[in-house]
Amino acid sequence: DAGVIQSPRHEVTEMGQEVTLRCKPISGHNSLFWYRQTMMRGLELLIYFNNNVPIDDSGMPEDRFSAKMPNASFSTLKIQPSEPRDSAVYFCASSSLLEYGYTFGSGTRLTVV
Amino acid sequence: DQQVKQNSPSLSVQEGRISILNCDYTNSMFDYFLWYKKYPAEGPTFLISISSIKDKNEDGRFTVFLNKSAKHLSLHIVPSQPGDSAVYFCAASASPSGTYKYIFGTGTRLKVLA
Repeated sequence: DAGVIQSPRHEVTEMGQEVTLRCKPISGHNSLFWYRQTMMRGLELLIYFNNNVPIDDSGMPEDRFSAKMPNASFSTLKIQPSEPRDSAVYFCASSSLLEYGYTFGSGTRLTVV
Repeated sequence: DQQVKQNSPSLSVQEGRISILNCDYTNSMFDYFLWYKKYPAEGPTFLISISSIKDKNEDGRFTVFLNKSAKHLSLHIVPSQPGDSAVYFCAASASPSGTYKYIFGTGTRLKVLA
């Protein structure tokens, strides 16, 4: 298995633009998590899905952030409009009922200028 | 409100000596704890876990200790090696299942000096 696949690896965008981050979880995993890593807050949970259904989105910082999981093999995290304070590394992770912890992707480094 | 805290942002240790990384939590519902290791430009990878029914779990050079009354856990690495240089995150959850959310700390950057 190729693991959790995130794209793009790096994204540089201008303030006000829409940004879409993508994630392909491990086949057979039914839970998907979006985290954001910053120096101040460490790994911060934004939202997670079980069986493609959002379970907890209390970590989504603002209405500018939205996430979807249209099927078991794909999820997106969208920021519209983006702001410089959104600059961070965004990680996607997947897991299953029998897993202990998650498998993380390599992350997307987002820079908003 | 940070439910999982790693109060030391960084730690430097000589090769061969012991590294001790600390983690505190505030939510008494947390019963399962993980440590993750993260190298630059990579995602975090699972290192070791402990359940609240235990106070110690050992895996090779890595040992995690849990003091539930103090809401404190620590990761010991003995002996430390240069390849252990990374950021270490502790994480806590109220459930062992991978379908439940884990709350992560802010991380401790470990540097092992050769």
